[in-house]
Amino acid sequence: SAVISQKPSRDICQRGTSLTIQCQVDSQVTMMFWYRQQPGQSLTLIATANQGSEATYESGFVIDKFPISRPNLTFSTLTVSNMSPEDSSIYLCSAGQGLNYGYTFGSGTRLTVV
Amino acid sequence: GIQVEQSPPDLILQEGANSTLRCNFSDSVNNLQWFHQNPWGQLINLFYIPSGTKQNGRLSATTVATERYSLLYISSSQTTDSGVYFCAVINNNDMRFGAGTRLTVKP
Repeated sequence: SAVISQKPSRDICQRGTSLTIQCQVDSQVTMMFWYRQQPGQSLTLIATANQGSEATYESGFVIDKFPISRPNLTFSTLTVSNMSPEDSSIYLCSAGQGLNYGYTFGSGTRLTVV
Repeated sequence: GIQVEQSPPDLILQEGANSTLRCNFSDSVNNLQWFHQNPWGQLINLFYIPSGTKQNGRLSATTVATERYSLLYISSSQTTDSGVYFCAVINNNDMRFGAGTRLTVKP
């Protein structure tokens, strides 16, 4: 299965600023996703990162707040924009080849907004 | 959307005990995975199991897709098994997670 390198692993940011998280996969994958995990909670899907087109966002998440890029089949970025303390979470990317394959996860980015 | 329910929400075991974690889902799914999230937040894939039974050492999993549930068995638990266990279902190319079972294994 694919191996995902995610960075940064953690960051402490000032409110009002933006942070871009990167995920690099060691092989071409069909699907890439971004998740948020708030403290003590499960994972919530933010969006599906579509190669060469706009990401598909879940209810409650908007492109202006969480712009996503996926320029090719091995790389994606998530930006958390105009951050507030409520954005403090773990952000994880996931990748897989589709319906008949499992998905793997990056090691996560632990974000603290002060 | 599809609902994923896990039980129990919390489980405390003595080292050496066995346990069964359950995952129910509300609709047919393409696939299902079990993950262990360690104390550092890393999600470790345990099983990719759309149906049938798989075993890996002290862990095994069974999915009965027609009845919309999956079970994760942990035998002879160890303190290193502590953490949160998530069930995730794959439906229409996206993955949805249950709320997880927090397992604590005491020495």
